[in-house]
Amino acid sequence: DAKTTQPPSMDCAEGRAANLPCNHSTISGNEYVYWYRQIHSQGPQYIIHGLKNNETNEMASLIITEDRKSSTLILPHATLRDTAVYYCIVRHYNFNKFYFGSGTKLNVKP
Amino acid sequence: DTAVSQTPKYLVTQMGNDKSIKCEQNLGHDTMYWYKQDSKKFLKIMFSYNNKELIINETVPNRFSPKSPDKAHLNLHINSLELGDSAVYFCASSQGDGRSMKAFFGQGTRLTVV
Repeated sequence: DAKTTQPPSMDCAEGRAANLPCNHSTISGNEYVYWYRQIHSQGPQYIIHGLKNNETNEMASLIITEDRKSSTLILPHATLRDTAVYYCIVRHYNFNKFYFGSGTKLNVKP
Repeated sequence: DTAVSQTPKYLVTQMGNDKSIKCEQNLGHDTMYWYKQDSKKFLKIMFSYNNKELIINETVPNRFSPKSPDKAHLNLHINSLELGDSAVYFCASSQGDGRSMKAFFGQGTRLTVV
């Protein structure tokens, strides 16, 4: 699986959009980008995933660059409950396992 | 109803003991996993089962033995516990053969070996 690089931490004001970047410059054509988050040692929670196109669901939006070497997870209106570690994971579609990196600790502040 | 449930939530035990952690999912998923999160917060996959069949074993010591009595359950038995086994263990499940990787995680079992 391709390696991902994320900033170790970010701050965001409550109510503002949180934009979490992820670099995956060695991604191959069959590898998906997944985002999970872990709130204070709870079990990781799936957020969103995509291959090439931008994706949006009720939780977030995923923007993948045209060359697919980086992506951004967008939480449109961050709340205090969004404070968590966010993991960007790149995984081959045919592999039934994936590896978590060190993630980005997002601190949402009032 | 909890989708993926693990018991116990906390487990404190002495070195050398044998212990088990149970996991059940009520999502009808075919694939289940065990992950270990160490003190540095890195999450590492340990095992994966698809329809009760082992499909991933990530160089885990053979003191760790997963058992899947049916596809809704994946238990983890650990023999001869060592201090280094102290960690949070997460069970997870996903639909199909695991390739979807939209996985649902349990709340974790914090194992402390003293």
